Amino acid sequence: EAQVTQNPRYLITVTGKKLTVTCSQNMNHEYMSWYRQDPGLGLRQIYYSMNVEVTDKGDVPEGYKVSRKEKRNFPLILESPSPNQTSLYFCASSLYPPPGGEQYFGPGTRLTVT
Amino acid sequence: DQQVKQNSPSLSVQEGRISILNCDYTNSMFDYFLWYKKYPAEGPTFLISISSIKDKNEDGRFTVFLNKSAKHLSLHIVPSQPGDSAVYFCAASVRAGGTSYGKLTFGQGTILTVHP
Repeated sequence: EAQVTQNPRYLITVTGKKLTVTCSQNMNHEYMSWYRQDPGLGLRQIYYSMNVEVTDKGDVPEGYKVSRKEKRNFPLILESPSPNQTSLYFCASSLYPPPGGEQYFGPGTRLTVT
Repeated sequence: DQQVKQNSPSLSVQEGRISILNCDYTNSMFDYFLWYKKYPAEGPTFLISISSIKDKNEDGRFTVFLNKSAKHLSLHIVPSQPGDSAVYFCAASVRAGGTSYGKLTFGQGTILTVHP
């Protein structure tokens, strides 16, 4: 089944404790992206990747890191999480960058930073 | 600075009637627009899109209209069904060649509730 998977689905952590949210797709997609969803702000793009070893900042990259060492994986790293990074995070992938390809979203990761 | 705005947080419609969801944008470089639908506890799913060279695109019960001069687009759902109840996001992007190629900018979302 074609899908985007994210792990963990739920995470509660404390300020400053490094964490990684994994994202994997099995559709051989070139493009991958991370978004956060917050009430009243909608979805905001954090980072995106056009291909392996090619990553770019989205609209809200501060406090996040990404890497794209393999086509299928695009982990999101929070080196020193803070409470303002409490949010619902979505990973997405598409064969081509938007708007050329329909984006497939993962189920989301709800992160709480205390 | 919110470049894509959905000013109605929610919309309530009776089953069988028309639902109209609105979206405004400020960046004149945007030339492709998309609508996504999101159910609770799931990721968004693509619904319909429109290029800036068109002013209308239809797919079954869903039609998107684009008014470039007003920097405004709308999604019409006719007839509305209870299963359409979800959060709808509009999004905008720049096609290849633009400096923002690869970025996708979303609005805040509108919660649509269709009553039986």
